Amino acid sequence: RKEVEQDPGPFNVPEGATVAFNCTYSNSASQSFFWYRQDCRKEPKLLMSVYSSGNEDGRFTAQLNRASQYISLLIRDSKLSDSATYLCAADAGNNRKLIWGLGTSLAVNP
Amino acid sequence: ETGVTQTPRHLVMGMTNKKSLKCEQHLGHNAMYWYKQSAKKPLELMFVYNFKEQTENNSVPSRFSPECPNSSHLFLHLHTLQPEDSALYLCASSEEEYNSPLHFGNGTRLTVT
Repeated sequence: RKEVEQDPGPFNVPEGATVAFNCTYSNSASQSFFWYRQDCRKEPKLLMSVYSSGNEDGRFTAQLNRASQYISLLIRDSKLSDSATYLCAADAGNNRKLIWGLGTSLAVNP
Repeated sequence: ETGVTQTPRHLVMGMTNKKSLKCEQHLGHNAMYWYKQSAKKPLELMFVYNFKEQTENNSVPSRFSPECPNSSHLFLHLHTLQPEDSALYLCASSEEEYNSPLHFGNGTRLTVT
């Protein structure tokens, strides 16, 4: 099992749709979780940090489920500009470094 | 506008060349990182510096040599690279080494011929 696993997609959704991605992690000692977005041939940019049960920022909501060891990202009212790859990262517990998923590709269509 | 700048943006080098990647952060962060991003692979941590001291070397081959003269600058010296080293090399910084979000530079796309 991969340490951090994401459905690669692609997710194709119409403008205005609500879309959700899940990210599972294998280390129960992980404490910090992050969602980043990465546009094609650009660097990852921080979208949201998740340290406790969840976080919300405008149209974006992240939730942490420790029992099932996954974090989710919900995007409401999708915009064309939301098209990107969404990367999930979890800290490696006592080892501290971040472990990254491969990313989920989202395409929002007009 | 990124607070972490990397140069060059693109680099093509032969296997016998020596080159260096440069990273500078203007965020007042204490930790700096080198990551490698290859197609169809997750981001791979290479090196971590905290208060300019190296705290992590993730089993990186010696043909990659990092240098951190101060908390704001980070270099990656490259020599005798292999074609499989072609990738996007990303520098990042964070406030603290643990549990802080990373801020990435725009990366150097390296091609080894």
